[in-house]
Amino acid sequence: KNEVEQSPQNLTAQEGEFITINCSYSVGISALHWLQQHPGGGIVSLFMLSSGKKKHGRLIATINIQEKHSSLHITASHPRDSAVYICAVHYNTDKLIFGTGTRLQVFP
Amino acid sequence: DGGITQSPKYLFRKEGQNVTLSCEQNLNHDAMYWYRQDPGQGLRLIYYSQIVNDFQKGDIAEGYSVSREKKESFPLTVTSAQKNPTAFYLCASLNIGAGFSTQHFGDGTRLSIL
Repeated sequence: KNEVEQSPQNLTAQEGEFITINCSYSVGISALHWLQQHPGGGIVSLFMLSSGKKKHGRLIATINIQEKHSSLHITASHPRDSAVYICAVHYNTDKLIFGTGTRLQVFP
Repeated sequence: DGGITQSPKYLFRKEGQNVTLSCEQNLNHDAMYWYRQDPGQGLRLIYYSQIVNDFQKGDIAEGYSVSREKKESFPLTVTSAQKNPTAFYLCASLNIGAGFSTQHFGDGTRLSIL
């Protein structure tokens, strides 16, 4: 079993829909990242969380340390949001453990 | 703007050849990392370095080698001993003392075997 599990693996949506991607982890963590990977492969860090909730534009990330669960929400989704979203955790060290990613496609 | 530069973006290798992937950062980060991504799998740690002239094996180091002669550079060599080198390779860096929010990633190198 992976230490970091994401769901769903694939997600399609119509433009404007509210989207939720979930991440569960089974280890004690120091921090959790939500990352975005576009088709070219480059990865951008969207959020780093250690508690609570963060918002940036149409993106919201939450984390529940007790339940070992985090969610990434996208409001008013747009085709340019199409990408792979990856959850990654710092497992009490400086190194990261990655989830397998959620492939999101938003259609006009 | 500071960041990580990986080159080349695409690389093709003949079987039996060693090939070196470049990773340079101008963020003054002490720690640097190499990860490998295969289809349907999460990124996995190959090697990491927390200080110049020192590095440690990650989870899948076999068939790879690294060096850290300068703080800003952490090249990865894929040797002929790596039996399945076709993958996406990602370099990352971190200022450990400043916290996890300093985590940065490169744009990656996609390696293919001819």
